[in-house]
Amino acid sequence: DTGVSQNPRHKITKRGQNVTFRCDPISEHNRLYWYRQTLGQGPEFLTYFQNEAQLEKSRLLSDRFSAERPKGSFSTLEIQRTEQGDSAMYLCASSLAAEGRRGHSGNTIYFGEGSWLTVV
Amino acid sequence: AQKITQTQPGMFVQEKEAVTLDCTYDTSDQSYGLFWYKQPSSGEMIFLIYQGSYDEQNATEGRYSLNFQKARKSANLVISASQLGDSAMYFCAMRGNFNKFYFGSGTKLNVKP
Repeated sequence: DTGVSQNPRHKITKRGQNVTFRCDPISEHNRLYWYRQTLGQGPEFLTYFQNEAQLEKSRLLSDRFSAERPKGSFSTLEIQRTEQGDSAMYLCASSLAAEGRRGHSGNTIYFGEGSWLTVV
Repeated sequence: AQKITQTQPGMFVQEKEAVTLDCTYDTSDQSYGLFWYKQPSSGEMIFLIYQGSYDEQNATEGRYSLNFQKARKSANLVISASQLGDSAMYFCAMRGNFNKFYFGSGTKLNVKP
């Protein structure tokens, strides 16, 4: 069983360019999340999919950001016209929707290794 | 709204000693989950331990235990017998609606040989 996979792991881009990150979740997981993490902070929620439906987007996700999960499997996060403030690590996570019960892991989300973005 | 507070930006512990990382939370939900994740310098968030709000016993996973005090809204992580490999950032998190997770600002743990 492979974990959550993200690529590229590192991306350096010039301001104004577009970038796309890909996330492959754990195979049987139906929920997929994108988070952003800046230095010295915890991850912040960006958006969330259940299967192919994007159910919630954070106000952090400006119009320049778009995420898709076309077949309910892998997901892409695209940032258009990048700005220096977009420099961060973009984390993908997945989980299996299951009601919690005693001893269950409580719908734990499992993270990938993250994609580091540097906008110069 | 959910909020997680970690008041210790950095902690030092001597190898083989125990250390407690503090976490307090705020929520109006009756049912919630509390989690701890470890983030080494490589960046990956590694799940460590989970505590459900209705669980009567404190969670334990190997050298990790969660000191859950519901009335005080605290969920401190205890690491026993610290190892050099435990040096990392540690994040406390709460599961909210739709399995959305809220994270604290983290505690950087340094284990000294």
